[in-house]
Amino acid sequence: DVKVTQSSRYLVKRTGEKVFLECVQDMDHENMFWYRQDPGLGLRLIYFSYDVKMKEKGDIPEGYSVSREKKERFSLILESASTNQTSMYLCASSPTGSNRQPQHFGDGTRLSIL
Amino acid sequence: AQRVTQPEKLLSVFKGAPVELKCNYSYSGSPELFWYVQYSRQRLQLLLRHISRESIKGFTADLNKGETSFHLKKPFAQEEDSAMYYCALGQGAQKLVFGQGTRLTINP
Repeated sequence: DVKVTQSSRYLVKRTGEKVFLECVQDMDHENMFWYRQDPGLGLRLIYFSYDVKMKEKGDIPEGYSVSREKKERFSLILESASTNQTSMYLCASSPTGSNRQPQHFGDGTRLSIL
Repeated sequence: AQRVTQPEKLLSVFKGAPVELKCNYSYSGSPELFWYVQYSRQRLQLLLRHISRESIKGFTADLNKGETSFHLKKPFAQEEDSAMYYCALGQGAQKLVFGQGTRLTINP
C-alpha cells in the first residue's frame, strides 16, 4: 500500500517566519505534488515535481518554493509566512506510466499563521 | 483553459434516496476524468476514473462529451457515503485540475 507521509498534522507559525513542510513517499514514485485545500476553492496546485531536482510551478506558486533533493522527499517552503497562507496543505505522489496514474495523498498539514 | 466546475458546495439527501453529484469540465481535447473522495478524518483517495468504466461502492459516473459532464451517481444512498467529493480533470502528462468540491451529507 502506498504511503505518503507528511511530517506534521498541525503547525502554528508566526508571520514572517520561514516554514518548511515535509513530505515523504515510500513507493518510488517519480511525481510529487503540493496542493492547498481551502473551503469553496477545492484543491489548488502549488508546485509539482516529476523528477529529482526538477520542479514546475502550479496555479498558485507565489510565496512558495520547493525542494526535491531525493526521489522520496518533496519539501514545500514558505519563504516569509503570511496570514493568507493559513490553510490545509496536501502532498501527493504518483508513478509515471503509459496511462495517467492515480495520485496518492498524505493526511495533510493544517498550517496556521498568526 | 482547463476548468472543472462542481456547482453544488453542499448536497443533502436521505438514506435510500438517489444521489447525483454534478461535475462539468472545460477542455478542448479528449478528457481524462476522476472522482476523488475524502471521508471524515481520512485522506483524499481515488473513487473512480472514467476509463475504468466500473462501479465503486455503488457509484458510477458516465462521461458525456456533448454536455461536457461527468456526474457521479448512486441509486440508493447510504450513511457511509457522507464525505467530501472532488471531480478532477487530467492536465498535461501527470497533473490534475480539481473542482471546488461537494460536501455530501446522507441523513438517516
